[in-house]
Amino acid sequence: GIQVEQSPPDLILQEGANSTLRCNFSDSVNNLQWFHQNPWGQLINLFYIPSGTKQNGRLSATTVATERYSLLYISSSQTTDSGVYFCAVEGITGGFKTIFGAGTRLFVKA
Amino acid sequence: GAVVSQHPSWVICKSGTSVKIECRSLDFQATTMFWYRQFPKQSLMLMATSNEGSKATYEQGVEKDKFLINHASLTLSTLTVTSAHPEDSSFYICSASSRVSEAFFGQGTRLTVV
Repeated sequence: GIQVEQSPPDLILQEGANSTLRCNFSDSVNNLQWFHQNPWGQLINLFYIPSGTKQNGRLSATTVATERYSLLYISSSQTTDSGVYFCAVEGITGGFKTIFGAGTRLFVKA
Repeated sequence: GAVVSQHPSWVICKSGTSVKIECRSLDFQATTMFWYRQFPKQSLMLMATSNEGSKATYEQGVEKDKFLINHASLTLSTLTVTSAHPEDSSFYICSASSRVSEAFFGQGTRLTVV
């Protein structure tokens, strides 16, 4: 099945700093999503981005489908950005299953 | 975005009993629902895929007799953990989608078996 790798696994930032999270995937995808999992476990949809670039406030994402990677940018980080960020993909083959990467655990210090 | 409601949010049960978790898509018809399991500080692992009116497809290593999945309608799927044991304690989360579109997730169920 499709493999999803995220980097870095852990990231510590000072409040106000910028960061880039990366997601590599091993096969062509129907769709790709970025999520933020809050401390209560709720997955918050950040971006649905099988290709191209999107922005939402301080967050933006870019997916280059032909090169099989996606990037999530966080600018001017805040303590409330802390949590785990997951990239999840649905491969072209494999029956519409959404497969998650291992996640990036972000901690933003005040 | 679409709303997926999962119930209960948390449950504590005695070893040997069964627990049912519900997943509902509130404002769209979900042709496919997925069940995931997440251990502490780990990623979400897909357990099974369910399509309305047909048997669920389980991932390798997932016991279908332990984790019963029913997808009775386009808005409801249930996961029953049968004869639960402490090792079944985990965070279970469902998602729903309508074919080629983004997936929406429920708020998850934290199961503790004592």
